[in-house]
Amino acid sequence: QKEVEQNSGPLSVPEGAIASLNCTYSDRGSQSFFWYRQYSGKSPELIMFIYSNGDKEDGRFTAQLNKASQYVSLLIRDSQPSDSATYLCAVIRGSYIPTFGRGTSLIVHP
Amino acid sequence: NAGVTQTPKFQVLKTGQSMTLQCAQYMNHNSMYWYRQDPGMGLRLIYYSASEGTTDKGEVPNGYNVSRLNKREFSLRLESAAPSQTSVYFCASSELQGSSPLHFGNGTRLTVT
Repeated sequence: QKEVEQNSGPLSVPEGAIASLNCTYSDRGSQSFFWYRQYSGKSPELIMFIYSNGDKEDGRFTAQLNKASQYVSLLIRDSQPSDSATYLCAVIRGSYIPTFGRGTSLIVHP
Repeated sequence: NAGVTQTPKFQVLKTGQSMTLQCAQYMNHNSMYWYRQDPGMGLRLIYYSASEGTTDKGEVPNGYNVSRLNKREFSLRLESAAPSQTSVYFCASSELQGSSPLHFGNGTRLTVT
């Protein structure tokens, strides 16, 4: 089992809908969780981070963390075509090493 | 990303040639990382430096060496390039290892023929 799992997609949603991206992790000692967005041919850029159980909102983005179930999710409200990208989940494990999932491709169609 | 600069942006090598990828961060971060990204494989950690003076292997270190020259600079060297090292390489930095988010450079696209 890979340490950080994401559905590769593509996840296709209509403009204006909510996009839900999920990530599961295997190390119960994981302590820090990040979502990055990566446009084709570009470097990853940080969208959100979350450390505690529950929800964290920033504009149209909400990160949700459930340590008991070992998953973290990213919700994008009012999705726009400009949100079309690959979304990477990153987890800092008990060893303090940042580990990335393989990413989920999101397509927002007009 | 002006905070983390990588050179070169593109490079083509022949099998057996060597090269060094340079990375510098201007955010006074303590930790630096080298990742490679291949289609379908995501970002995989090659080496990291938790702080100046220390380096450690990541998930895929074979065929690579690193040098943390000072707090700002972290270089990645390929001594004898192989076609399997064709990839996009990203340098990243973080304020502290273990809790801080990573900030990435713009990447180096390397092709080994």
